[in-house]
Amino acid sequence: SQQGEEDPQALSIQEGENATMNCSYKTSINNLQWYRQNSGRGLVHLILIRSNEREKHSGRLRVTLDTSKKSSSLLITASRAADTASYFCATAGAISGGYQKVTFGTGTKLQVIP
Amino acid sequence: DAGVIQSPRHEVTEMGQEVTLRCKPISGHDYLFWYRQTMMRGLELLIYFNNNVPIDDSGMPEDRFSAKMPNASFSTLKIQPSEPRDSAVYFCASSRDRGLYNEQFFGPGTRLTVL
Repeated sequence: SQQGEEDPQALSIQEGENATMNCSYKTSINNLQWYRQNSGRGLVHLILIRSNEREKHSGRLRVTLDTSKKSSSLLITASRAADTASYFCATAGAISGGYQKVTFGTGTKLQVIP
Repeated sequence: DAGVIQSPRHEVTEMGQEVTLRCKPISGHDYLFWYRQTMMRGLELLIYFNNNVPIDDSGMPEDRFSAKMPNASFSTLKIQPSEPRDSAVYFCASSRDRGLYNEQFFGPGTRLTVL
């Protein structure tokens, strides 16, 4: 089963509004990452938050992590039409060959209407 | 840096044919990953390499799939024979770190259609 499950599956907002996406996972993790995928393109890394961190900022992005609830949220403030994309959370925790394997969630499709 | 390079970008083939997808990772990255993305199953990790050695191939769906990494700058994913259910976008990604920092850099993908 998927380690990460994003919620909602789809989100449509007006330009300038904030967008919040949530990710829940099942097992303990070492870190959690958020990626963006524009239509027809590969994934692009946005931000990484470690298990001992609770909040992290990068530009208009704010990520929170609650390990007790096994959940994370990604907030995009003052959204722009260019933010239209799918957003995936990825968890790293299972040790495989000494490497912390990254498992991707199902994604949230964000549409920002100009 | 040119980023991760994949070829071809699009491939259309007939059922039963052999398909070979190619990937050139970012120079200096010692991890390479192959993913498959479909609407039904999302993004699935097929196999990954560390220093050209396959580490975990538990995601490879069947014996029809095989992957090689003959050197640090080249990897292939081969499907033989191909089937319509193999139709998907295949991504290659590379990473230069293990442990706590696992940012992966993705290529543009190869869209495979098996008729």
